[in-house]
Amino acid sequence: KAGVTQTPRYLIKTRGQQVTLSCSPISGHRSVSWYQQTPGQGLQFLFEYFSETQRNKGNFPGRFSGRQFSNSRSEMNVSTLELGDSALYLCASRRGQAAYEQYFGPGTRLTVT
Amino acid sequence: DQQVKQNSPSLSVQEGRISILNCDYTNSMFDYFLWYKKYPAEGPTFLISISSIKDKNEDGRFTVFLNKSAKHLSLHIVPSQPGDSAVYFCAASTLNNDMRFGAGTRLTVKP
Repeated sequence: KAGVTQTPRYLIKTRGQQVTLSCSPISGHRSVSWYQQTPGQGLQFLFEYFSETQRNKGNFPGRFSGRQFSNSRSEMNVSTLELGDSALYLCASRRGQAAYEQYFGPGTRLTVT
Repeated sequence: DQQVKQNSPSLSVQEGRISILNCDYTNSMFDYFLWYKKYPAEGPTFLISISSIKDKNEDGRFTVFLNKSAKHLSLHIVPSQPGDSAVYFCAASTLNNDMRFGAGTRLTVKP
């Protein structure tokens, strides 16, 4: 069974631009979560989607948004990029909301200059 | 809000010895705890978990201990191997799946 895939793997953007990251979960997994990883901060929870609905949301500004499609694929969008948005963005999927174990993708490394 | 804390950013251990990674949490609503392992350029991979109704869970060389009264959990790796060198993240989840991660501890196992 294929794992969680994320595209693109690396991205360089300029301050003020917007970016869209994509995540395809493991087949059969209906829950997708997004995390931001920065040195010293660990994994900061952004949001979780289940059956196309946002179920949980972390403490990030409204510039960070996401959505999930009917095939469970998810996208994350960051508008008006700031230098501090440079990070590794990880997507994780799990079978359903009752399952605790998450399976992570390799991440998208975003650099904002 | 750092509801899950890993106070040691790094740990170095000799091969064959025990590695002990620690994690503290503040939210008493957490009822499920997990450890993830992360190699460079890869996403975290699930390692071991424990429910709040238990105080110990063992899987091969890996054992997780939970002390609910102290809001503390630890991961023991015995014996440690060079391939265990990675960043280890502690995670905690509430019943409604609000999951929080610690900042990670970089474990280096020296041959």
